[in-house]
Amino acid sequence: AQKVTQAQTEISVVEKEDVTLDCVYETRDTTYYLFWYKQPPSGELVFLIRRNSFDEQNEISGRYSWNFQKSTSSFNFTITASQVVDSAVYFCALSEYNNNDMRFGAGTRLTVKP
Amino acid sequence: EADIYQTPRYLVIGTGKKITLECSQTMGHDKMYWYQQDPGMELHLIHYSYGVNSTEKGDLSSESTVSRIRTEHFPLTLESARPSHTSQYLCASSGTNTGELFFGEGSRLTVL
Repeated sequence: AQKVTQAQTEISVVEKEDVTLDCVYETRDTTYYLFWYKQPPSGELVFLIRRNSFDEQNEISGRYSWNFQKSTSSFNFTITASQVVDSAVYFCALSEYNNNDMRFGAGTRLTVKP
Repeated sequence: EADIYQTPRYLVIGTGKKITLECSQTMGHDKMYWYQQDPGMELHLIHYSYGVNSTEKGDLSSESTVSRIRTEHFPLTLESARPSHTSQYLCASSGTNTGELFFGEGSRLTVL
């Protein structure tokens, strides 16, 4: 069965610091999809990125970057020059091609202090 | 921008009451989901649907029930609410096997 582990429960940084959120996954499928979502204090989950299992290219979007490594089953998320508005709970998720439900990690609460 | 709506946003009720949490999406998505989440904590899948007249239970045992009579509508019902049902309920939909989930704003339920 698929599983997602986010070992960091809470992270606190000072504004402008870089921060990396870890995500490790388990799956038996060869085709799967990895996601990151952001949940700000308002409560709604916001989709950030999707990556499929055949594409190990790292991706950068502004201050956000993602490092996908199949060899270590990891899909880590880095925020560069963090800002107070980045404060939220971040969830990593996994969806297998042959399985219609999406499994979420326990989330990492990021607090960025001014 | 996602078009998925949940009502009510907040609900406080007494034990034993029957409640229905509404979820509607206007994107024509076949797949819809209900997750239960305590604030800032892990999301637990409680129900999902692949299309009209299709419903399945998720990993977390739940005393709630769902129905999918129309593509756009996926209500969740608790026949007799209890304090242990106090939580946030998040509805989501997806249009493809690879696709991301689009989430509603959530329904925060408090049972006294």
